[in-house]
Amino acid sequence: DAKTTQPTSMDCAEGRAANLPCNHSTISGNEYVYWYRQIHSQGPQYIIHGLKNNETNEMASLIITEDRKSSTLILPHATLRDTAVYYCIVRVATSNTGKLIFGQGTTLQVKP
Amino acid sequence: GAVVSQHPSRVICKSGTSVKIECRSLDFQATTMFWYRQFPKQSLMLMATSNEGSKATYEQGVEKDKFLINHASLTLSTLTVTSAHPEDSSFYICSANRDGNTEAFFGQGTRLTVV
Repeated sequence: DAKTTQPTSMDCAEGRAANLPCNHSTISGNEYVYWYRQIHSQGPQYIIHGLKNNETNEMASLIITEDRKSSTLILPHATLRDTAVYYCIVRVATSNTGKLIFGQGTTLQVKP
Repeated sequence: GAVVSQHPSRVICKSGTSVKIECRSLDFQATTMFWYRQFPKQSLMLMATSNEGSKATYEQGVEKDKFLINHASLTLSTLTVTSAHPEDSSFYICSANRDGNTEAFFGQGTRLTVV
């Protein structure tokens, strides 16, 4: 699986959009970009994933650059409950989807 | 979404004793489950892959005789920490595959404290 690089930490004001970047310059053509988050003392939670098109669901939007070497997770209206560690993971979407290699992620602190 | 449940959520045990942690897929069958460990202020580290009806596959550096994994049914995998030591104190998390889904489903985690 390709390696990803994320900023260690970010702050965001409550109600504003949180934009979390991820670099994955060695991504292969069949690898997807997945985002998970981990709220303190809980198990990780799936957020969204994509291959090359931008994706949106009820939680977030995922913007992938045309060359696929980087992506941005957007939380459109951050709340205090969005404070968590966000992990960007690049992998092939095979059946062993529970087997993930986690980096250090980005600690997002949403402030009132 | 699919639900994966772990039990117990917290456990305190004495050094030298063994502790069993359960991971259940509540609304789907999982032929494969995964066990992770997370130390304070660190990321999750994959420990092993639990395969229903066969032996678990351990990641490099994980002692299979210390961390016993049993996946006896399609909805239950157990992790037993044998002869626990204070350095085994950690947050243990499981995940499970659900056929047809490309995302992973995680349990809520088990906080183990060895005293």
